[in-house]
Amino acid sequence: RKEVEQDPGPFNVPEGATVAFNCTYSNSASQSFFWYRQDCRKEPKLLMSVYSSGNEDGRFTAQLNRASQYISLLIRDSKLSDSATYLCVVNRGYSSASKIIFGSGTRLSIRP
Amino acid sequence: GAVVSQHPSRVICKSGTSVKIECRSLDFQATTMFWYRQFPKQSLMLMATSNEGSKATYEQGVEKDKFLINHASLTLSTLTVTSAHPEDSSFYICSARTAGTQNTEAFFGQGTRLTVV
Repeated sequence: RKEVEQDPGPFNVPEGATVAFNCTYSNSASQSFFWYRQDCRKEPKLLMSVYSSGNEDGRFTAQLNRASQYISLLIRDSKLSDSATYLCVVNRGYSSASKIIFGSGTRLSIRP
Repeated sequence: GAVVSQHPSRVICKSGTSVKIECRSLDFQATTMFWYRQFPKQSLMLMATSNEGSKATYEQGVEKDKFLINHASLTLSTLTVTSAHPEDSSFYICSARTAGTQNTEAFFGQGTRLTVV
């Protein structure tokens, strides 16, 4: 079983739709959590951090459930430019020994 | 955000030769750098973690004698793919994190697309 699991998709939704991604992690030593976005053949870029209290940034909302070891990302009013692969990222461990582990990514395609 | 520069962005080499990839943090000190490999349509797989001044920690299944990592300064880490084979062809990405808590984000280099012929 992978340490960070995501539905690979692809999700193909119309512009303006709301779409939700889920991610689960297996290592309870995971300390911090992020969603990254990766465009084709490019490096990943941070979309948002995920906090226990949940956080929102414009059309994007992230949630964390530590008890269930589950992270989610909600995109409202999706735009064509949202088409990308979304990576669930977990920072496992402490201080200099911590490691950043990526999920396999969920591909999203927004159609006009 | 912080800038991580990775060089070269693309390299083609012959089987059996070695290739060195550089990863530099341009405007911050990176105590920890990560090296990832990504095959087409697959996720980034962590290869190794390097802390400045110490030996890299390799993930299971990654040959440390084949993928040599050096993190000699707080702004530079290098990955050398030795005796490259066609199956080493992949997208290699480095990531750097500032000193401090583990809650800081990681910044990525632009990636190096390696093709071994």
